[in-house]
Amino acid sequence: DIQMTQSPSSLSASVGDRVTITCRASQSISSYLNWYQQKPGKAPKLLIYAASSLQTGVPSRFSGSGSGTDFTLTISSLQPEDFATYYCQQSYSSPRMFGQGTKVEIK
Amino acid sequence: QVQLQESGPGLVKPSGTLSLTCAVSGGSISSSKWWSWVRQPPGKGLEWIGEIYHSGSTNQNPSLKSRVNISVDKSKNQFSLKLSSVTAADTAVYYCARYHDFLTGWGFDPWGQGALVTVSS
Repeated sequence: DIQMTQSPSSLSASVGDRVTITCRASQSISSYLNWYQQKPGKAPKLLIYAASSLQTGVPSRFSGSGSGTDFTLTISSLQPEDFATYYCQQSYSSPRMFGQGTKVEIK
Repeated sequence: QVQLQESGPGLVKPSGTLSLTCAVSGGSISSSKWWSWVRQPPGKGLEWIGEIYHSGSTNQNPSLKSRVNISVDKSKNQFSLKLSSVTAADTAVYYCARYHDFLTGWGFDPWGQGALVTVSS
């Protein structure tokens, strides 16, 4: 199984900050990496697929990069509605593993 | 657009079988390839349970494989999950989701709203 490791597990940031979350795969997954946002009591929402493609309707302040084993989700200017937990997920092979999540909290 | 809705008992006794159904609306279940189940224990992260192809082929998480059965009913445009021999550790919010082919990659989109299943006597 391909293991996904996110860092940090949590972070505190202010509105307007640039935020970066990293995800590392235990083996190369090419660009088969997705990012999801989950708010309390809600289902996850797909933000980015194939490492860097923005899902329809997702604000352009979200961006993704990386390939192979190391990936990054960047929020260029954090907005109040962005405080949530973010998960990476590999779509290279089965089982479809998720990272443990990164909680973005208000500073 | 495609929408998903989970349904099923919210309380299951230990050693029993958890059963959930995901109704697909806004499109045919045969129009997409893979349909999945993901769960989230209270306060914890996401765990992929398994998936079913619209033709009936399945994949499961090896950690749950012996207890998981996923089926599809194309006539009702829905798919189902059965998890046997449940314990308190199976208490979670269970989500159904479409595993969508974006051509350059695959992703879970959309998701159902989730169904909380508690395992308790």
